[in-house]
Amino acid sequence: NAGVTQTPKFRILKIGQSMTLQCTQDMNHNYMYWYRQDPGMGLKLIYYSVGAGITDKGEVPNGYNVSRSTTEDFPLRLELAAPSQTSVYFCASLPGQYSYSNQPQHFGDGTRLSIL
Amino acid sequence: AQTVTQSQPEMSVQEAETVTLSCTYDTSESNYYLFWYKQPPSRQMILVIRQEAYKQQNATENRFSVNFQKAAKSFSLKISDSQLGDTAMYFCAFMRYTSYDKVIFGPGTSLSVIP
Repeated sequence: NAGVTQTPKFRILKIGQSMTLQCTQDMNHNYMYWYRQDPGMGLKLIYYSVGAGITDKGEVPNGYNVSRSTTEDFPLRLELAAPSQTSVYFCASLPGQYSYSNQPQHFGDGTRLSIL
Repeated sequence: AQTVTQSQPEMSVQEAETVTLSCTYDTSESNYYLFWYKQPPSRQMILVIRQEAYKQQNATENRFSVNFQKAAKSFSLKISDSQLGDTAMYFCAFMRYTSYDKVIFGPGTSLSVIP
């Protein structure tokens, strides 16, 4: 059972380039999330999904896009990379809406992204 | 809007001693969850402890316990018998009971356990 897997672990992009951060989970969780963590800060929600085909914006969605074609995968797309998007990105999942009472959010190990 | 504040950017504690990390939050909700997450240098996010707001009893997990003061909107974490492996960033987080999209994290406290 791998849990939540994120790839790549590190990436350097040039301004204006695009890339996709991959996230996959093998726990059949319905809820998936993308967060960013800036230096010295907590996590901020970018996008989330409550199931295949359903996504919605979080706190800081500008400059990002997501899709959820399967339960397992929730990729995050950066179309025109900007220096302000330099951050560590975390993907997370939950079985369902009321699962916080008995199960924690499962996090991936993060992707460190630098935009130069 | 909900906010989470951690007023101690950095703390240190001697090994085997006890340390308390502070967290305050602001909300008009009556039902919600509070969490403490640990992030070691490996960057993994690890849930340390959770508290449901409707429960008066403070949550405890082994060496970790909380002091939940609902009226004061305070949620501190006490680590007893500190170990070197406790060195990490600690984040306090808030979530409304019925809102899976609104997990609000505090800015974190960097804890160093000194041998």
